[in-house]
Amino acid sequence: DVKVTQSSRYLVKRTGEKVFLECVQDMDHENMFWYRQDPGLGLRLIYFSYDVKMKEKGDIPEGYSVSREKKERFSLILESASTNQTSMYLCASRRFMAGGSYNEQFFGPGTRLTVL
Amino acid sequence: RKEVEQDPGPFNVPEGATVAFNCTYSNSASQSFFWYRQDCRKEPKLLMSVYSSGNEDGRFTAQLNRASQYISLLIRDSKLSDSATYLCVVNQNTGFQKLVFGTGTRLLVSP
Repeated sequence: DVKVTQSSRYLVKRTGEKVFLECVQDMDHENMFWYRQDPGLGLRLIYFSYDVKMKEKGDIPEGYSVSREKKERFSLILESASTNQTSMYLCASRRFMAGGSYNEQFFGPGTRLTVL
Repeated sequence: RKEVEQDPGPFNVPEGATVAFNCTYSNSASQSFFWYRQDCRKEPKLLMSVYSSGNEDGRFTAQLNRASQYISLLIRDSKLSDSATYLCVVNQNTGFQKLVFGTGTRLLVSP
């Protein structure tokens, strides 16, 4: 049974705090992703990683950074949390896809972050 | 213009009804298409892929119209358990295979 886990389901932080969101997958997937999901805006890609130590900016990377030191773990870092980063954060992983192919993307349960 | 557009709904239907959702996408170079299902407070999960020839999985039928750049999902004989948000997803084949998600269409099936 495939599994993507996230370190917290709910998190409350204060403005200016450094926040770490952890994601672990047990499927030996190469690609990992961080999204945020907001009402009316859908899922938006923050950062993704092709493989270990590799990272690429997604559509909304401002205010975030990531780390991928091990294949199974992809961390999202909010350097200085702000109230507009209050959101649902979803991690996902999938096996590497060659051109023209598709592999299913599996999501973690999400972390609902509130920044006060 | 959004890359993937969906009617947010909600679509309120009685059990046993047939309901259809449409989705339009803006990038004509998009290669593959999917429907994901997301239950309340849960993560999205793949429901089905959408093939050019159309495909069916039980009560669910997906269609793709490349000329008009829209995708549809038809649900027959709706069940209470079909209540969820249905996300239209497009794979942009631009080097890295990046999924673009619609905002979702909410379906409520009532007894």
